[in-house]
Amino acid sequence: IAGITQAPTSQILAAGRRMTLRCTQDMRHNAMYWYRQDLGLGLRLIHYSNTAGTTGKGEVPDGYSVSRANTDDFPLTLASAVPSQTSVYFCASSVGAGNEQFFGPGTRLTVL
Amino acid sequence: AQSVSQHNHHVILSEAASLELGCNYSYGGTVNLFWYVQYPGQHLQLLLKYFSGDPLVKGIKGFEAEFIKSKFSFNLRKPSVQWSDTAEYFCAVREVDTSGTYKYIFGTGTRLKVLA
Repeated sequence: IAGITQAPTSQILAAGRRMTLRCTQDMRHNAMYWYRQDLGLGLRLIHYSNTAGTTGKGEVPDGYSVSRANTDDFPLTLASAVPSQTSVYFCASSVGAGNEQFFGPGTRLTVL
Repeated sequence: AQSVSQHNHHVILSEAASLELGCNYSYGGTVNLFWYVQYPGQHLQLLLKYFSGDPLVKGIKGFEAEFIKSKFSFNLRKPSVQWSDTAEYFCAVREVDTSGTYKYIFGTGTRLKVLA
């Protein structure tokens, strides 16, 4: 049972480059989320999806986009990375919107 | 704007000491409340949750939390901490507005260090 997997584990990226962080869950959860975790700021929601085919903006969506073509996958794309996007990114899922969330192991992204 | 406040950013305790971590939220409507824990090098996992019923909620590893609606609080407690409780603790609130739209907001976290 994998739960939620994220790839890559870590990445160093030049500013201006495009990057997609991958997230896959095998629990058939309807809702999925992307957070960034920064020291002193806790977890901030970037985007979410209540069900396949729908997405919504969270607290800090600028510079990020998501898609939810199917139940299992919820990739996060940085179209043109900037240093302020250096962070640890966590993907999460829940059975339904707002229920207990299950988190992936995170992706540590450094933008130079 | 709705917010979740964790006033203790860093807490250092000796083993067997009692723990209480504060969590306050600002939303006056319907809420569901959660505490998550992140052990060093690991991802977040649920400690306990409150949806309805008894406001004193018991979670894993001897943790409990009490929902006090009048104080907009959901403080986390443990009578006797262990070295293995060293971790970062996050309070989270799920708010539901009158249109049925929900928001899920995390606090900034409290780093607990337990000295052996």
